[in-house]
Amino acid sequence: GQQVMQIPQYQHVQEGEDFTTYCNSSTTLSNIQWYKQRPGGHPVFLIQLVKSGEVKKQKRLTFQFGEAKKNSSLHITATQTTDVGTYFCAGDDMRFGAGTRLTVKP
Amino acid sequence: EAGVVQSPRYKIIEKKQPVAFWCNPISGHNTLYWYRQNLGQGPELLIRYENEEAVDDSQLPKDRFSAERLKGVDSTLKIQPAELGDSAVYLCASSLGRGRDEKLFFGSGTQLSVL
Repeated sequence: GQQVMQIPQYQHVQEGEDFTTYCNSSTTLSNIQWYKQRPGGHPVFLIQLVKSGEVKKQKRLTFQFGEAKKNSSLHITATQTTDVGTYFCAGDDMRFGAGTRLTVKP
Repeated sequence: EAGVVQSPRYKIIEKKQPVAFWCNPISGHNTLYWYRQNLGQGPELLIRYENEEAVDDSQLPKDRFSAERLKGVDSTLKIQPAELGDSAVYLCASSLGRGRDEKLFFGSGTQLSVL
C-alpha cells in the first residue's frame, strides 16, 4: 500500500524557534491529513489538505500541500511548550508516517 | 457527544493467552479503523471497516488476529494466541466516511503487555 515518509524523526528546539516537518509520498495523493499526538495521548486531527498547492493556516501552524500532491509540510512559527508532541501525516488510505517528535526547551 | 470508547484501558496477559479489545465508535460514523502503535512509532493500520464490511485488512496478521464489526457499530479485535511482540497500544478510530469526510477520531487505546 501507499506509504508516507516523514523527516526529521526528531526535532529539539528552543522555545520561540520555528519548526518544520516534512511528509513525502512516492505516489500522488488525493489528500493528506496531519495529526498531533501529545505524550501519553492519542492522535488528534489537525487538518486535511486536498488541493494541489494548498496552504492552510491555524494560528502559528502553516500546512502546505505540494503542487504535485506528493509532499506536504507543517511549519510552526515561534514554538511554545504546548507544541510538544509527535506530528504525523497520513495519506489516502489512512496509513500514517513514522512521525516527527518535537521537544521544546523553555 | 461521546467520543470513541475503547476498553479495557490496560491489559496484561501471558504469552499464548487470548485477548480481546472492544471499540464503540462515535454515533453515525460508518468507517472504523484498528491501529497498532509501538512505542516511538506511527500508528500501523490493521483493518478498516466500512459499515460491517472489512474493506482493508491487508496488514492484519490473519494467523492470530481477527476482528469483527457486528451490525456496523461496535467492533472487537482479538489476538489468539498472543506473542511477546504483540505488546503495543491498540487504537480504534472512526470517521463519517472516506475522502473529505475521513477525519479520524481516536479512542484512548488499549495498552497491551504480553509477558
